[in-house]
Amino acid sequence: SQQGEEDPQALSIQEGENATMNCSYKTSINNLQWYRQNSGRGLVHLILIRSNEREKHSGRLRVTLDTSKKSSSLLITASRAADTASYFCATDGAAGNKLTFGGGTRVLVKP
Amino acid sequence: KAGVTQTPRYLIKTRGQQVTLSCSPISGHRSVSWYQQTPGQGLQFLFEYFSETQRNKGNFPGRFSGRQFSNSRSEMNVSTLELGDSALYLCASSWGTSGSSEQYFGPGTRLTVT
Repeated sequence: SQQGEEDPQALSIQEGENATMNCSYKTSINNLQWYRQNSGRGLVHLILIRSNEREKHSGRLRVTLDTSKKSSSLLITASRAADTASYFCATDGAAGNKLTFGGGTRVLVKP
Repeated sequence: KAGVTQTPRYLIKTRGQQVTLSCSPISGHRSVSWYQQTPGQGLQFLFEYFSETQRNKGNFPGRFSGRQFSNSRSEMNVSTLELGDSALYLCASSWGTSGSSEQYFGPGTRLTVT
């Protein structure tokens, strides 16, 4: 079963615009991570935010976490065609490295 | 540093057969996790191994099994293949023992069952 639900399921924007996607989860977490996947390949880790953090930045990425609402958002600023990919949030709550992924948001950045 | 490698990259099998997939983690990483990705169910956790011991297991039938060797390399096996086992199988390695460290994913093995 999937822990998170991502919204929207798909997003189409022009190069240079910002892309925002949201992730909601059900149970308490230790950390929340965002990953990117290009065309059915492996996942690339983007950013990890801990449950006691509210916001984190990495380059053009900004992630927020609201544990009271059990939700997170990923903002990609000044998008590029190379940002075209599927983006997944993943949570961990149990011991070990088990991640529970959301359904993903497919982002298309048009040149 | 070399990334996570998975072999083979593509595989076609027939229903009823069995298959073994291999994953070599990043050097120094002792945790290896396996995930199944399908269009219908998304990304689902199969199991995690750390120091040759299975630490977590997902909700998959016993036909799915795995193991880890002393050099941290891991294999997963699926016996009596079904059409629904067609999927992208991803492995991920991590140095840490908890979810507080990022996981590095391999390119995946795409399994097609006919």
